[in-house]
Amino acid sequence: DAGVIQSPRHEVTEMGQEVTLRCKPISGHNSLFWYRQTMMRGLELLIYFNNNVPIDDSGMPEDRFSAKMPNASFSTLKIQPSEPRDSAVYFCASSLQGAIGNQPQHFGDGTRLSIL
Amino acid sequence: EDQVTQSPEALRLQEGESSSLNCSYTVSGLRGLFWYRQDPGKGPEFLFTLYSAGEEKEKERLKATLTKKESFLHITAPKPEDSATYLCAVPLTGGGNKLTFGTGTQLKVEL
Repeated sequence: DAGVIQSPRHEVTEMGQEVTLRCKPISGHNSLFWYRQTMMRGLELLIYFNNNVPIDDSGMPEDRFSAKMPNASFSTLKIQPSEPRDSAVYFCASSLQGAIGNQPQHFGDGTRLSIL
Repeated sequence: EDQVTQSPEALRLQEGESSSLNCSYTVSGLRGLFWYRQDPGKGPEFLFTLYSAGEEKEKERLKATLTKKESFLHITAPKPEDSATYLCAVPLTGGGNKLTFGTGTQLKVEL
């Protein structure tokens, strides 16, 4: 089975440019999560969706960050304008959430973003 | 405030030298504890879910256990391919699907 697919795997761009990260969750999963990982802060949740609806975006650092999930098989995380401090690895994860307990999240291999 | 603390930060073992990693947590009404393995350049890979104190799960050389305050990941006779960062995570108090992750234990197993 295909796992969570993220693109691009690496992105290098200059400060001020718009960056768009893409994610395809596992088919049938109804929750999608965007994380950021840095050496200093570890793995931080930015935003998550249930059934394509944003539920909690309290982790989004600033208005420069936005995320969308137009359908069950695609999500984007956009940074505009980008800044050097946004450099990090961004992960997308998906899970199947039901009425009983929390189900594990399955992660993609991330996008390594470098803002010069 | 919900917290997850992992120790040690780094661990170096000889091949075959068994040891344990610790994950302590402070959340109200635990709704599961998750263990992940992360290799360099990869996303975290799900290993185990534990839901209640006393529960144990095993996979090859790994065994995860859970008490009311902490979880242990026991590694028996490790091999170099077990080298990775091991992360634990718990859902935040108040419901929802948000997880808080520990900062991980970086394990290196040498020949």
